[in-house]
Amino acid sequence: ETGVTQSPTHLIKTRGQQVTLRCSSQSGHNTVSWYQQALGQGPQFIFQYYREEENGRGNFPPRFSGLQFPNYSSELNVNALELDDSALYLCASSRWGGAAYEQYFGPGTRLTVT
Amino acid sequence: DAKTTQPNSMESNEEEPVHLPCNHSTISGTDYIHWYRQLPSQGPEYVIHGLTSNVNNRMASLAIAEDRKSSTLILHRATLRDAAVYYCILRSGGSNYKLTFGKGTLLTVNP
Repeated sequence: ETGVTQSPTHLIKTRGQQVTLRCSSQSGHNTVSWYQQALGQGPQFIFQYYREEENGRGNFPPRFSGLQFPNYSSELNVNALELDDSALYLCASSRWGGAAYEQYFGPGTRLTVT
Repeated sequence: DAKTTQPNSMESNEEEPVHLPCNHSTISGTDYIHWYRQLPSQGPEYVIHGLTSNVNNRMASLAIAEDRKSSTLILHRATLRDAAVYYCILRSGGSNYKLTFGKGTLLTVNP
């Protein structure tokens, strides 16, 4: 069973640029969630995708957007990067409707905005 | 979202039991109590969850107070690999999506 993978591992961008982060779900999972984790803080929910549609969103502006593909992989896009967007971006996959609703997290993408 | 309160940090010795407390006085009847942990340089990892009754799995035990306003994650024999940040999270039974993380408890395990 393949776990959640994310790419790239690290990324450095300049303020104002755009970035795309990628996530492959664990086998058998149909739901993907994205989180942002600033240094020293817990992860903050960005949004979730199920059946290729956004299913819920946290307190993030519209310049954070996403996609889910038929194979359940996902992308997180961030436009007009700001310095405060520097963080670890985590992807988590799960099976919709499971009682435990365990989320399986990837190792994250470390984004640095300069 | 209902709020949880955890100590910022705790220390334990290897091979001793560890009791990690969590207060959630505003918990509602449909809120599940979840615990995740995050090892250094890794994404969070599911540990255990419960609703009303105590729960055991291969990783840990979860003891839930009768009034559900607090819970305790129990690691029966701490190892160096258990050093991590432990998050206590309330998930609404009506919500299928987000986990609301706090700052968690940083557990240090001494050899």
